[in-house]
Amino acid sequence: EAGVTQFPSHSVIEKGQTVTLRCDPISGHDNLYWYRRVMGKEIKFLLHFVKESKQDESGMPNNRFLAERTGGTYSTLKVQPAELEDSGVYFCASSQDLRVNEQFFGPGTRLTVL
Amino acid sequence: GNSVTQMEGPVTLSEEAFLTINCTYTATGYPSLFWYVQYPGEGLQLLLKATKADDKGSNKGFEATYRKETTSFHLEKGSVQVSDSAVYFCALIKNGWASYDKVIFGPGTSLSVIP
Repeated sequence: EAGVTQFPSHSVIEKGQTVTLRCDPISGHDNLYWYRRVMGKEIKFLLHFVKESKQDESGMPNNRFLAERTGGTYSTLKVQPAELEDSGVYFCASSQDLRVNEQFFGPGTRLTVL
Repeated sequence: GNSVTQMEGPVTLSEEAFLTINCTYTATGYPSLFWYVQYPGEGLQLLLKATKADDKGSNKGFEATYRKETTSFHLEKGSVQVSDSAVYFCALIKNGWASYDKVIFGPGTSLSVIP
C-alpha cells in the first residue's frame, strides 16, 4: 500500500511568486493534515481536513496560504505571494481512525523562497 | 499551553554507544506520546508511542517510558548503529482518546553515529 506522497520534493521560487504544494494521502484516510518546519525549528500544525471540509485551520499563518481538498482525496496548499519567511519543509499527514489518531507522514516538500 | 521540550543537538556518538535523548512535555489531561524519526532524504516515520502512564513503547531497539510523575518520555537505545543517524522528534497529542487533535512536536534532535 502506498504511503503519503507529496509533490514536489523541492521547490525554489522568488519572493512574490506563487507555489502550490500537493499531498496525496493514504487511500481511504479521511483525515489529512498539513504541518511545516521553518528554519530548523519545531514542526507546527497548519490545518486539518476531514474529507473535503476544513476541521481546524487555526495554524494557518496568514491569508497568503490557501489549502483545498476538493473531492476529499488529494490536497493542495498554495502560497501566494510567497515571502522569505515561508521557506521551510511542509509535511502532509493522514490518518484513518481518530480514536487512535496515528498520523502517517509524507516525505515533505522543501520550499526555498529567495 | 501544550508543549514538548527535548534536548538540543546535534548529538554525535560512536557506534555501539548508549543513546539517551531527553524529552519532557507540558499538557493538560492525558496525552499520548510519540517519537518520530526522519532519516536523511525521507519523511517522518513513527518510531514508537505510548498512550498512558507507565506504558513503554519500543521499536528497532529503541525504548521510551511514559512517566507522568516527571512528565517525561526519554528515548533510549543500548547500542546505536550508523544507520540510526537521523533527526528524532518527540511529540504528543493532547487528547488521544476523543476526537481529533493535532500533533505537537518538539524541536528535534539531530543524531550522528560515526563508525
